[in-house]
Amino acid sequence: NAGVMQNPRHLVRRRGQEARLRCSPMKGHSHVYWYRQLPEEGLKFMVYLQKENIIDESGMPKERFSAEFPKEGPSILRIQQVVRGDSAAYFCASSPVGGGTDTQYFGPGTRLTVL
Amino acid sequence: GQQLNQSPQSMFIQEGEDVSMNCTSSSIFNTWLWYKQDPGEGPVLLIALYKAGELTSNGRLTAQFGITRKDSFLNISASIPSDVGIYFCAGQPLMNRDDKIIFGKGTRLHILP
Repeated sequence: NAGVMQNPRHLVRRRGQEARLRCSPMKGHSHVYWYRQLPEEGLKFMVYLQKENIIDESGMPKERFSAEFPKEGPSILRIQQVVRGDSAAYFCASSPVGGGTDTQYFGPGTRLTVL
Repeated sequence: GQQLNQSPQSMFIQEGEDVSMNCTSSSIFNTWLWYKQDPGEGPVLLIALYKAGELTSNGRLTAQFGITRKDSFLNISASIPSDVGIYFCAGQPLMNRDDKIIFGKGTRLHILP
């Protein structure tokens, strides 16, 4: 059973470009969480999605950031017009229906560098 | 918003030593979680705690859910080189309606040669 997959693992963008980060949850998991980690920091919650629904986006910046989890395919975190401050590691976690906090499994992350 | 204070920030120890780190919060937590993150990887859950006073072990690791529900500690006994990494405390605050996790800033464990 494959774990949570994220791609790309590393992404370099110039200021003003768009970044698309993908997350494929574990098989059988229908909940996806996105977290951002700055250097020397812990992970900070961004958004919680179920299939085709955003449940909680309270941690996501209001502008330039969006997330989706379509019926088919991976969850996408999209950052438009990236700025240097967007450079960070972005992790997604997935959990099954009815799972609690201890059933979130994390992917390896996408490290975004904005030049 | 809720914050977790994790200490120490870094530890430099000799192989074989015991390690202790802790985490405190300003609000009550439902669940305490301890994760380890290796370089270039995502966090991996080590121990989950669900009840005040609960003491749980996983091999050489032991963690406790504080009685006040505002703190937790993690101990590692007889450290070995593969214990090197970043240890995060995390949890679910009582007032959270969903399963989003709040993380501490991590304790960076280094083992001296």
